[in-house]
Amino acid sequence: GENVEQHPSTLSVQEGDSAVIKCTYSDSASNYFPWYKQELGKGPQLIIDIRSNVGEKKDQRIAVTLNKTAKHFSLHITETQPEDSAVYFCAASRMNRDDKIIFGKGTRLHILP
Amino acid sequence: DAGVTQSPTHLIKTRGQQVTLRCSPISGHKSVSWYQQVLGQGPQFIFQYYEKEERGRGNFPDRFSARQFPNYSSELNVNALLLGDSALYLCASSLVDRGTTEAFFGQGTRLTVV
Repeated sequence: GENVEQHPSTLSVQEGDSAVIKCTYSDSASNYFPWYKQELGKGPQLIIDIRSNVGEKKDQRIAVTLNKTAKHFSLHITETQPEDSAVYFCAASRMNRDDKIIFGKGTRLHILP
Repeated sequence: DAGVTQSPTHLIKTRGQQVTLRCSPISGHKSVSWYQQVLGQGPQFIFQYYEKEERGRGNFPDRFSARQFPNYSSELNVNALLLGDSALYLCASSLVDRGTTEAFFGQGTRLTVV
């Protein structure tokens, strides 16, 4: 069935260093890959997304890469700041009217002072 | 502009009871989806409604039902509550136009079943 695996489950990095979260997906028809940040007591917030016709996308300190052949995609956060501490979810979806979003289990990111 | 709004924010129910959760999408968004997020896990898809029709259903029992109203707001109903139904229930809305599926989530309703 449809599945998204996410690693690591917990990640601690020193402030200013980079953080990398990796995901794999099983559904070959997936063509839309959003990343969400969830802070305590809040709903998930879209931070960046990538479509299957693109291999890489960058938005300031955040970048995503996609390898469709290997069904891998990754989130890179550079120059981490305390406010980056949160739970991050990768997800996969088919981009049409009937789609649903399949989420990974999440990565809890701790930024150490 | 208001984002996705959900009510109530917190709810405590007893096993066997029924619950109704409400969601108002972002203005102009015609698609509403419901997700269940158990503590420590990612959200799991329950339903998608578009233009008041059910477009998708996840792997949840028939105790779960939903509907969408003419103003695109939505309700999620859960009957015969079980302890395992305790979770954060999230509503997401999207424009679903020209191929975009960017989903915007509300803050969720925290349901506790005792």
